[in-house]
Amino acid sequence: EDKVVQSPLSLVVHEGDTVTLNCSYEVTNFRSLLWYKQEKKAPTFLFMLTSSGIEKKSGRLSSILDKKELFSILNITATQTGDSAVYLCAGTSQGGSEKLVFGKGTKLTVNP
Amino acid sequence: GAVVSQHPSWVICKSGTSVKIECRSLDFQATTMFWYRQFPKQSLMLMATSNEGSKATYEQGVEKDKFLINHASLTLSTLTVTSAHPEDSSFYICSAPIAGGRNEQFFGPGTRLTVL
Repeated sequence: EDKVVQSPLSLVVHEGDTVTLNCSYEVTNFRSLLWYKQEKKAPTFLFMLTSSGIEKKSGRLSSILDKKELFSILNITATQTGDSAVYLCAGTSQGGSEKLVFGKGTKLTVNP
Repeated sequence: GAVVSQHPSWVICKSGTSVKIECRSLDFQATTMFWYRQFPKQSLMLMATSNEGSKATYEQGVEKDKFLINHASLTLSTLTVTSAHPEDSSFYICSAPIAGGRNEQFFGPGTRLTVL
């Protein structure tokens, strides 16, 4: 059965800190790994990673995938209170179905 | 980015009644939509895959007679929770992938269901 494991489950930091969120996966016929940010409502898309070793960057957020170690990290530098959210990663597999297998998420709290 | 809407955004109903939730892709066509359920402090759990023109595919442990899915058109899928019970209270979210194998999915804003 496919599974995605995130760590830590929760994290509390101060504004300005840098955080690293971890995501390991076991997905048959792996296709891609996606990161989402979820605040009060539905998740919003952050990154999609398909190739190993290529960092994707968006402002203070960046992410990278290691397909050999079946692992991805999401980095947030110079955190702000607005970064407080649950960060979800999800894996997808090849073969037609586009369903996502989600991890339990990491709840990030950024204190002023 | 593409927009997916859900209606209603929240609903309160009595135990034993049925509730219909709509998911619409507003600016693209979606032959497939996904329905998720999220309990408090839990992750999203896929319930079923809604397929336009054919039957939905349900995940293990999800009762298809209780959670009726109808993919009426290329832009609309509905989830009906039949004979709702308090344990069905949850946050229901739909998503739709953009066609073309990009694998990026767009989520609706979710529907908060409370069954009294």
